[in-house]
Amino acid sequence: NAGVTQTPKFRILKIGQSMTLQCTQDMNHNYMYWYRQDPGMGLKLIYYSVGAGITDKGEVPNGYNVSRSTTEDFPLRLELAAPSQTSVYFCASRNFGTGDEKLFFGSGTQLSVL
Amino acid sequence: AQKVTQAQTEISVVEKEDVTLDCVYETRDTTYYLFWYKQPPSGELVFLIRRNSFDEQNEISGRYSWNFQKSTSSFNFTITASQVVDSAVYFCALSLNTGGFKTIFGAGTRLFVKA
Repeated sequence: NAGVTQTPKFRILKIGQSMTLQCTQDMNHNYMYWYRQDPGMGLKLIYYSVGAGITDKGEVPNGYNVSRSTTEDFPLRLELAAPSQTSVYFCASRNFGTGDEKLFFGSGTQLSVL
Repeated sequence: AQKVTQAQTEISVVEKEDVTLDCVYETRDTTYYLFWYKQPPSGELVFLIRRNSFDEQNEISGRYSWNFQKSTSSFNFTITASQVVDSAVYFCALSLNTGGFKTIFGAGTRLFVKA
């Protein structure tokens, strides 16, 4: 059971470039989330999804887009990369209502925008 | 608004000392969940414990214990006889029962355990 898989693990972008961070989970979880963690800080919610076809903004959505065409996949898109988007990005999922409400996290993507 | 405050930015202890990490939360919801996660130097996030708002029982798991007090909106975490392997950043988090079941994280407490 792979859990939550994120790719790539590391990426360096130039200002203005675009990229997609991939996230897939094989636990059939309805809820998926994208967080960013700036150095020395906690996690901030970027976007979340409660099921295929349904997404909504979190605390810091500006500069990002998401889609959820399947239960398994929840990619995060950066359209015009900016230095302020240098961060570690974590994808997470959970299966609400089962009595196990913890988040399952991917291993993270370290992104630098130069 | 919901908020999680971890007032201790960094704590440094010597091995075998006991240490308590504080967590204070704010919410007007009556149903919510509280969590602690550990982030070791390798960077992954490790789940430690979950508590729901209707269960104020304290919990002990080995050297770890948690004290949940609704009266003071606190969910503190104590490590007994700390070890070097406990060195990590610890996050307290709050999930509500509505709105996508979003989880809000505190800023984290970095714990250094010196040999």
